[in-house]
Amino acid sequence: QKEVEQNSGPLSVPEGAIASLNCTYSDRGSQSFFWYRQYSGKSPELIMSIYSNGDKEDGRFTAQLNKASQYVSLLIRDSQPSDSATYLCAGEMYSGGGADGLTFGKGTHLIIQP
Amino acid sequence: DVKVTQSSRYLVKRTGEKVFLECVQDMDHENMFWYRQDPGLGLRLIYFSYDVKMKEKGDIPEGYSVSREKKERFSLILESASTNQTSMYLCASRPSNQPQHFGDGTRLSIL
Repeated sequence: QKEVEQNSGPLSVPEGAIASLNCTYSDRGSQSFFWYRQYSGKSPELIMSIYSNGDKEDGRFTAQLNKASQYVSLLIRDSQPSDSATYLCAGEMYSGGGADGLTFGKGTHLIIQP
Repeated sequence: DVKVTQSSRYLVKRTGEKVFLECVQDMDHENMFWYRQDPGLGLRLIYFSYDVKMKEKGDIPEGYSVSREKKERFSLILESASTNQTSMYLCASRPSNQPQHFGDGTRLSIL
């Protein structure tokens, strides 16, 4: 059974601080990991993708992957009120035909307090 | 930019009706996906397709079928709609070795 676990929150962070979002996954066959941001009533928007162990930085966002611990995280530096949203962690497996679809966590609701 | 278009933002249907949800992408992507999203349950994979005429069951395929006659179009079919299929339906597509991008979603109500 593929599972991705996230703390549902809400996670409240002061404006300008670092927001830290965490995710664990159960299936060691998962090869790629993604963070999506979802505003209320909108569809998920890709924030970060990470495919190998270590850190990946893009602007204010840093994704971290530790396959041995089955752990994925997202750091948001200099948090802004516009970062307030639900953040979805997802893992992806591959088979001979291609990508098998994403397994999502239930999301962490992040609130940035002005 | 990737453009994934879902035919309707809001749809209301009756129980027992056959319902078609359409998804079109304009980037010649091989892989396409259908998910549903429900409060407390998150996003769950219904069906996906590696290429034209191909389809694979996801985690919750019961009560649904799909059709992919052309590469750009992936249709989700509710054979006989039931109230427990009221949900937000999200289509996504991706080329090889790239992340998925989602359409705007269809909020479907079954009365």
